[in-house]
Amino acid sequence: DADVTQTPRNRITKTGKRIMLECSQTKGHDRMYWYRQDPGLGLRLIYYSFDVKDINKGEISDGYSVSRQAQAKFSLSLESAIPNQTALYFCATSDLSGAGYTFGSGTRLTVV
Amino acid sequence: SQKIEQNSEALNIQEGKTATLTCNYTNYSPAYLQWYRQDPGRGPVFLLLIRENEKEKRKERLKVTFDTTLKQSLFHITASQPADSATYLCALSNPGTALIFGKGTTLSVSS
Repeated sequence: DADVTQTPRNRITKTGKRIMLECSQTKGHDRMYWYRQDPGLGLRLIYYSFDVKDINKGEISDGYSVSRQAQAKFSLSLESAIPNQTALYFCATSDLSGAGYTFGSGTRLTVV
Repeated sequence: SQKIEQNSEALNIQEGKTATLTCNYTNYSPAYLQWYRQDPGRGPVFLLLIRENEKEKRKERLKVTFDTTLKQSLFHITASQPADSATYLCALSNPGTALIFGKGTTLSVSS
């Protein structure tokens, strides 16, 4: 099994729909992150969590929310999806040092 | 605001040559600088980390330098191979913060 599992791998949704992207990790790490990647814009940080009770906004949190259900689970929600949220979304985890993130395989989201 | 620039979007070299990728940053004093490799459609994979008090780090054919005065890191792949073709990402952080990434440089190694 992969260290970081993201579901779904691909998703097409309609404008205005609520959608949740899920992430789970088996590394036993406390820290988890959500990034989105767009062509030409690189990876941008959406939200991050340093432990179960800690949630922090990243560079581009507007339009998104997160839930840290357990040490191993960190989900990202789009409350009302819009087309410019079409992107490749990555979840990652790290230990307390932050040295060497482990990324999932990504969720390719298309909002039509 | 913090800015990371990877000086070229694409780099093409011949097999066996040394590839050198550059990462420059402004408005930031990172404690750590990391390099990742990303293949198309896949998540980034961690390669190397260098700390602000380290000048150079090596791992097999990879070498990273970190110059906090110039605010620059150089990433070298020696004896490059077609299998090294990928996008390479530079990322910075301080303790207690999340990584911020550059846009990446796509390396193509031709045989």
